[in-house]
Amino acid sequence: NAGVTQTPKFRVLKTGQSMTLLCAQDMNHEYMYWYRQDPGMGLRLIHYSVGEGTTAKGEVPDGYNVSRLKKQNFLLGLESAAPSQTSVYFCASNPGNRGAQPQHFGDGTRLSIL
Amino acid sequence: RKEVEQDPGPFNVPEGATVAFNCTYSNSASQSFFWYRQDCRKEPKLLMSVYSSGNEDGRFTAQLNRASQYISLLIRDSKLSDSATYLCVVLSGGSYIPTFGRGTSLIVHP
Repeated sequence: NAGVTQTPKFRVLKTGQSMTLLCAQDMNHEYMYWYRQDPGMGLRLIHYSVGEGTTAKGEVPDGYNVSRLKKQNFLLGLESAAPSQTSVYFCASNPGNRGAQPQHFGDGTRLSIL
Repeated sequence: RKEVEQDPGPFNVPEGATVAFNCTYSNSASQSFFWYRQDCRKEPKLLMSVYSSGNEDGRFTAQLNRASQYISLLIRDSKLSDSATYLCVVLSGGSYIPTFGRGTSLIVHP
């Protein structure tokens, strides 16, 4: 049981390049989330999804897009990377049903934009 | 006032010590509470849920005080391996989005 898997683990981009981060979960969870974590800032929610085909903006959505075409996958896209997007990105999932369920995290993607 | 507040620390304690962290929350409709542990450059991992009556898991005890709107985590007999950042997480009833505190850093030294 892999849980939440993020790919890639590390990536270096040049300003203006685009890329997609993939999050996959095998727990049949309804809710999925993308966070970024910067030193001293804590976890900040970028986008989230409460089910296949749905997405919503979080606290810091600008510069990112997401898609949830399949229940198990949640993709985070950077169309034109900027140095301010250098961060560690975490994906999380939750069983859903608005219950008192904790989140399960992937092990992160470390992204550097030069 | 931030929704969830934690003392960032660091709390610097010797092995074997007992240490406690508090986390205050502002939304009185909050219904679910958790403590996560995060090691340096790693993902947050669930440490324990916090139940209304308080709960214990080995050396760790979590308490909820609804009247004063805070939760606490007590660690007894601290180990070197307990060194980490401890995140408080609060979820309001019916909400999709948990609120994370920024974390409290614990350093356990020999």
